[in-house]
Amino acid sequence: EAGVAQSPRYKIIEKRQSVAFWCNPISGHATLYWYQQILGQGPKLLIQFQNNGVVDDSQLPKDRFSAERLKGVDSTLKIQPAKLEDSAVYLCASSPGLAGLSRSEQFFGPGTRLTVL
Amino acid sequence: AQKVTQAQTEISVVEKEDVTLDCVYETRDTTYYLFWYKQPPSGELVFLIRRNSFDEQNEISGRYSWNFQKSTSSFNFTITASQVVDSAVYFCALSEATSGNTGKLIFGQGTTLQVKP
Repeated sequence: EAGVAQSPRYKIIEKRQSVAFWCNPISGHATLYWYQQILGQGPKLLIQFQNNGVVDDSQLPKDRFSAERLKGVDSTLKIQPAKLEDSAVYLCASSPGLAGLSRSEQFFGPGTRLTVL
Repeated sequence: AQKVTQAQTEISVVEKEDVTLDCVYETRDTTYYLFWYKQPPSGELVFLIRRNSFDEQNEISGRYSWNFQKSTSSFNFTITASQVVDSAVYFCALSEATSGNTGKLIFGQGTTLQVKP
């Protein structure tokens, strides 16, 4: 079974530029998560989708971050304009469980390492 | 408030030594789930174990074992006879199961384990 796919794996941009990340979850997984992992810290949830609807985006900096999950499958996360503090690894995860099923295991992709200069 | 604390930032051991990674959590919920994930240098988070708050039985899986104690709000992870391949960052995480909860994971800051040959 294919895992969670993410691209690109690495991205270097200058501040104030825009960037987009792509995630393809495991086939059939209803729930998709985007996490931000700053160096030396644990991942922090940015946004969660169930199918193509947003379940939780309370920690997403909406003035510069946006995300969508068209057709309830692939998802894109965009930053515009980027700031230096956005340098981090952006992890995508998917889960077969519906939102609210806290026991469901989340499967993580390899992440996209973003460096903002 | 939800919180996960991994007080050990880095641990270094010699191969074949036993090592315990500590995890202390805070939650007001009576129903919750605890997880351990491993993050090797490749960056992908690998699921190791999930426990629910009603099951305090310790668990053993090969060289791995977990000690869950609600009285001290701890969920510690022990690797017996460590190997070089165990070198990674290990994260403890909490998910609450209250009504309306989205199942998001609250991660600790991680413990970097280095196993030297």
